[in-house]
Amino acid sequence: KQEVTQIPAALSVPEGENLVLNCSFTDSAIYNLQWFRQDPGKGLTSLLLIQSSQREQTSGRLNASLDKSSGRSTLYIAASQPGDSATYLCAVNPPGTASKLTFGTGTRLQVTL
Amino acid sequence: KAGVTQTPRYLIKTRGQQVTLSCSPISGHRSVSWYQQTPGQGLQFLFEYFSETQRNKGNFPGRFSGRQFSNSRSEMNVSTLELGDSALYLCASSLGLAGTEAFFGQGTRLTVV
Repeated sequence: KQEVTQIPAALSVPEGENLVLNCSFTDSAIYNLQWFRQDPGKGLTSLLLIQSSQREQTSGRLNASLDKSSGRSTLYIAASQPGDSATYLCAVNPPGTASKLTFGTGTRLQVTL
Repeated sequence: KAGVTQTPRYLIKTRGQQVTLSCSPISGHRSVSWYQQTPGQGLQFLFEYFSETQRNKGNFPGRFSGRQFSNSRSEMNVSTLELGDSALYLCASSLGLAGTEAFFGQGTRLTVV
């Protein structure tokens, strides 16, 4: 059974810092890995999608990497801003399914002024 | 283009009642998946529909059911509500092909009293 873990569970950093969020999964047989952000009480916003054949994806200040063989992904946020404060979730999509995501436990990020 | 629309946004129901939640996917998307989010269990997969057929089902009791219509809109029904069904219910829309990106709605907050 696939299990997805995110470390740390919570993180507080001052504005302007670069930071890394970690995601690990137990079964390397995945189609893709997706990173989301969730604001309190809201839905999920897709940030980056990495296919199993890719090593990384970039969007603006965000960079996500994937090491499928070791079951790890990282989300790098450059020059953090207070608006980045949210919960970040990673999710893996196992083969044989199109939209059945297994989610991690999330990292709650607070960027302070 | 319009995103994923979930209605209603908030619901308060009494134990024993039933409830129906609705999800309209992004135009052109044929897959709708449903998830339950609670503070204790995180995000858990309920089921996935593709072209009006249930393709995958999570580990939830039979009180949870769903369907998808020919226009890809989906409904989720929960019968005989229990206090533990209080949660944020999220639906995700995708093309339904393996490895494609999932886009989430804002969710329906269900409170059972």
